[in-house]
Amino acid sequence: GQQVMQIPQYQHVQEGEDFTTYCNSSTTLSNIQWYKQRPGGHPVFLIQLVKSGEVKKQKRLTFQFGEAKKNSSLHITATQTTDVGTYFCAGLRGGYQKVTFGIGTKLQVIP
Amino acid sequence: NAGVTQTPKFQVLKTGQSMTLQCAQDMNHEYMSWYRQDPGMGLRLIHYSVGAGITDQGEVPNGYNVSRSTTEDFPLRLLSAAPSQTSVYFCASTGPGTGELFFGEGSRLTVL
Repeated sequence: GQQVMQIPQYQHVQEGEDFTTYCNSSTTLSNIQWYKQRPGGHPVFLIQLVKSGEVKKQKRLTFQFGEAKKNSSLHITATQTTDVGTYFCAGLRGGYQKVTFGIGTKLQVIP
Repeated sequence: NAGVTQTPKFQVLKTGQSMTLQCAQDMNHEYMSWYRQDPGMGLRLIHYSVGAGITDQGEVPNGYNVSRSTTEDFPLRLLSAAPSQTSVYFCASTGPGTGELFFGEGSRLTVL
């Protein structure tokens, strides 16, 4: 079945440092989504990428979708303590009914 | 707006007991799904539904049943709880067009 690998599983950074999490799919995706889960909370949608090579920005967050639509990344510039949480990628292969999540990257930001 | 509401938030069961996790959404979304979250495993799809009366299995369906009699409700049933079903369960509905998943706050289940 479809697998979505995500690395690293954990990342500790000093406040102000940059952070990147990477996602790779074993199959070509139609879309990829990113979610953030704060400690003790539920996942919250951040963004969806649809086009090959797409790059989207949300303030300090930059999301990329690979040319082959099999990999994606989330980059945070100058992390802040409010960025703490687990970031999940989620791959879709046509339609919205079945979404495969990566295992998530847990980000700790040291003040 | 309530969004997606899950109950109960916490539950402790003994092995072999049955229970139902309730999920309701007020956004008139057709697609709904159940995930379990375990450390190091991410979110895994248990069952999903594309509309009232239609359900299908996800990645880890064994030990769970679902039904979808209305658009609003999508309960998850554990017929005979096992310790391996200790987990945090999330219900989600999918926004039409965007595909955005709206998650409930989660139900933490412990099976002793």
